[in-house]
Amino acid sequence: NAGVTQTPKFQVLKTGQSMTLQCAQDMNHEYMSWYRQDPGMGLRLIHYSVGAGITDQGEVPNGYNVSRSTTEDFPLRLLSAAPSQTSVYFCASSGGQGGRNTIYFGEGSWLTVV
Amino acid sequence: DAKTTQPPSMDCAEGRAANLPCNHSTISGNEYVYWYRQIHSQGPQYIIHGLKNNETNEMASLIITEDRKSSTLILPHATLRDTAVYYCIVRLNNDMRFGAGTRLTVKP
Repeated sequence: NAGVTQTPKFQVLKTGQSMTLQCAQDMNHEYMSWYRQDPGMGLRLIHYSVGAGITDQGEVPNGYNVSRSTTEDFPLRLLSAAPSQTSVYFCASSGGQGGRNTIYFGEGSWLTVV
Repeated sequence: DAKTTQPPSMDCAEGRAANLPCNHSTISGNEYVYWYRQIHSQGPQYIIHGLKNNETNEMASLIITEDRKSSTLILPHATLRDTAVYYCIVRLNNDMRFGAGTRLTVKP
């Protein structure tokens, strides 16, 4: 079972470069989201989507863009990378918006900005 | 979503039950209690969730007090591979707020 798949797993960027973290899920889930986790801290919500064509901001959206053109994919774009964006990024998906729907996470993408 | 309070760390002997507490005194009637764990820096792994009743699955049991202001995650026979950070989260919608969690160390 693939579940939530993230690519790449590791990436090093120079300050000012742009890149896209890919996320795909094969569970036909409506809800997808991106989190970041800094060392020793819990996860913080960046952006989320409740369905194709719909996105919204989470707790820490600055410096990131998202789009949702298909149900399966939810890419996260860094337009101009900064060292403060060095973090581990997790994509997640859920079958619906309510608290009864379990959220499943990918294995993470480690990003270092130098 | 309501906030949760967990002890920062706990130890447990291998083969014994691990009981991880969580306080969520401001929980509302429609908020679910979820438990996840994170091993090293892997993606958070879903363990169990509940609303009012106690729940059990192949991984763990969840005991929720009658007033719903606290809960306990029980790993019945802890193994070394259960060493991880355990997060207790209460949520109404999909905006999950992670705290620092409890770092459980299972010792031989």
